[in-house]
Amino acid sequence: DGGITQSPKYLFRKEGQNVTLSCEQNLNHDAMYWYRQDPGQGLRLIYYSQIVNDFQKGDIAEGYSVSREKKESFPLTVTSAQKNPTAFYLCASRRRDRGALDTEAFFGQGTRLTVV
Amino acid sequence: AQKVTQAQTEISVVEKEDVTLDCVYETRDTTYYLFWYKQPPSGELVFLIRRNSFDEQNEISGRYSWNFQKSTSSFNFTITASQVVDSAVYFCALSRGGSQGNLIFGKGTKLSVKP
Repeated sequence: DGGITQSPKYLFRKEGQNVTLSCEQNLNHDAMYWYRQDPGQGLRLIYYSQIVNDFQKGDIAEGYSVSREKKESFPLTVTSAQKNPTAFYLCASRRRDRGALDTEAFFGQGTRLTVV
Repeated sequence: AQKVTQAQTEISVVEKEDVTLDCVYETRDTTYYLFWYKQPPSGELVFLIRRNSFDEQNEISGRYSWNFQKSTSSFNFTITASQVVDSAVYFCALSRGGSQGNLIFGKGTKLSVKP
């Protein structure tokens, strides 16, 4: 079945550590996104990538890094510079429709990151 | 700037009641798209509907209906005869048309349907 797979589902990080969240899609979608969800805050965009080997900062990119070496994969690293990383992280992808990125996004099941 | 406002933070209804979730958006684009998503307790966002700015026809899908009014920049979502399984957080989202679109989300409305 086609879809987006995020792993792990739960992740615990010690203060000062970097951790990487995985996101893989087999939908052949061009664009991929990372969102952060905090209670009462909705979804805020961290990074997005519209094509392989290219990505752009979203609204809250500080303390995060990404790579897009393959179309299927868009891993997110939460660095020690992110002061408040405890949150629910969602990965999404979208296909281009005649060049336009206005289609619906498909989401993974999320990774819940907790700093201990 | 683009913005989506969902003024209702939480709504609680009793099963079989009708409920309307409000969504107001701001954009300077003439071509844009509006979306609704459902987030059940499992966490994954489920796509419900996509509507472009040129199509103001209301849409009905089973117990769900959507009312799009450009004059008031609103895209409201109504659930008729609500059920316990409708309990979730619902998000409204906005995307500009063209090749650069990102999805901008509202803060969501948590709907609780009690038996």
